[in-house]
Amino acid sequence: GQNIDQPTEMTATEGAIVQINCTYQTSGFNGLFWYQQHAGEAPTFLSYNVLDGLEEKGRFSSFLSRSKGYSYLLLKELQMKDSASYLCAVNAGGGNKLTFGTGTQLKVEL
Amino acid sequence: DAGITQSPRHKVTETGTPVTLRCHQTENHRYMYWYRQDPGHGLRLIHYSYGVKDTDKGEVSDGYSVSRSKTEDFLLTLESATSSQTSVYFCATAPLASQETQYFGPGTRLLVL
Repeated sequence: GQNIDQPTEMTATEGAIVQINCTYQTSGFNGLFWYQQHAGEAPTFLSYNVLDGLEEKGRFSSFLSRSKGYSYLLLKELQMKDSASYLCAVNAGGGNKLTFGTGTQLKVEL
Repeated sequence: DAGITQSPRHKVTETGTPVTLRCHQTENHRYMYWYRQDPGHGLRLIHYSYGVKDTDKGEVSDGYSVSRSKTEDFLLTLESATSSQTSVYFCATAPLASQETQYFGPGTRLLVL
């Protein structure tokens, strides 16, 4: 079976840094994705990791440790518009299928 | 972003009626997916397609069927809608390889009374 865990909610202050963790236990692994989803909207792609290490893209970075089944999304210089749900998803098998975590609702406060 | 549209965007229907949702893409992507999103469950895969007339079941396929007669269209049918199928339905597409992200349509809000 596939299992992906993320915290349900997090709160952070504008201008700060926040780290959203994701742990997974899957029967295979072809990569891990992070998506951002604002309320009432579709998920949008943030990052992709398939090898261990850190991928940096502007204010957003994502880290992967395959041996630990662990990833995190790091958001720097938080802005109010970063208030959204962040979804961790693993490509664990054929058919280019993704298994999603339940998402982490991030609230950015002044 | 991939050009993905879903229709209808909102629908209210009654228990026992059939419902068809349409996903249309203009990117010539090979893979297409239908998900439902519910509080506490996240996105769950219903069915997916890896080519014209090639489809397979996902995690929560009971009560749903799909068809893909051409590359650009992927239809999801609720054969006899039930209240448990009240949800937000997202279509997604992907070009080919596993490292390619999926692109999501705007979603359809379905309420089954």
